[in-house]
Amino acid sequence: QKEVEQDPGPLSVPEGAIVSLNCTYSNSAFQYFMWYRQYSRKGPELLMYTYSSGNKEDGRFTAQVDKSSKYISLFIRDSQPSDSATYLCVMSEVRGNTGNQFYFGTGTSLTVIP
Amino acid sequence: DADVTQTPRNRITKTGKRIMLECSQTKGHDRMYWYRQDPGLGLRLIYYSFDVKDINKGEISDGYSVSRQAQAKFSLSLESAIPNQTALYFCATSRSTGFTDTQYFGPGTRLTVL
Repeated sequence: QKEVEQDPGPLSVPEGAIVSLNCTYSNSAFQYFMWYRQYSRKGPELLMYTYSSGNKEDGRFTAQVDKSSKYISLFIRDSQPSDSATYLCVMSEVRGNTGNQFYFGTGTSLTVIP
Repeated sequence: DADVTQTPRNRITKTGKRIMLECSQTKGHDRMYWYRQDPGLGLRLIYYSFDVKDINKGEISDGYSVSRQAQAKFSLSLESAIPNQTALYFCATSRSTGFTDTQYFGPGTRLTVL
């Protein structure tokens, strides 16, 4: 079983739709949860991160973590064609100065149709 | 200018050739990483370095070697390239914060081994 599971999609939605991207994980020690966005032929860029269960909002993006279910989500409201990209969930234990090992989902490909 | 740069951006080589991928960063980060990305497999860690004198193997280090020439430079070598090393390679950097760290990725090098 992989540490992090992510539906690869592809996901195609009309402009303005609400998008839900999800990941599950098996390691209960994960405490740091990140979402990266990767445009075609570019490197991943950090979109949001959170340390705790609950919701974190940033503009049209909301990251949700449910540690009891080992489930995280990224919601995109009022989706735009510029949101078309691959979204990666990334997780790690928090180890302080010894450094973290990062566990990556395989990414979900999203296309927002104008 | 980009904070994390990779050269070359694209490379086609033949089986058995030695090839070096280079990464430079201006972020002042102490930690650097090399990943490869394959469709359906996501990002996998090859090597990482927490400072100039520190080199660590990642998940898939066989067939690869690295050199940390300076805090800002981290190169990845394929001593004798083989076709299954065809992939997208990313360099990443992070700064140790004592609690956790977030990675910043370069634009990637697309390597094809014929």
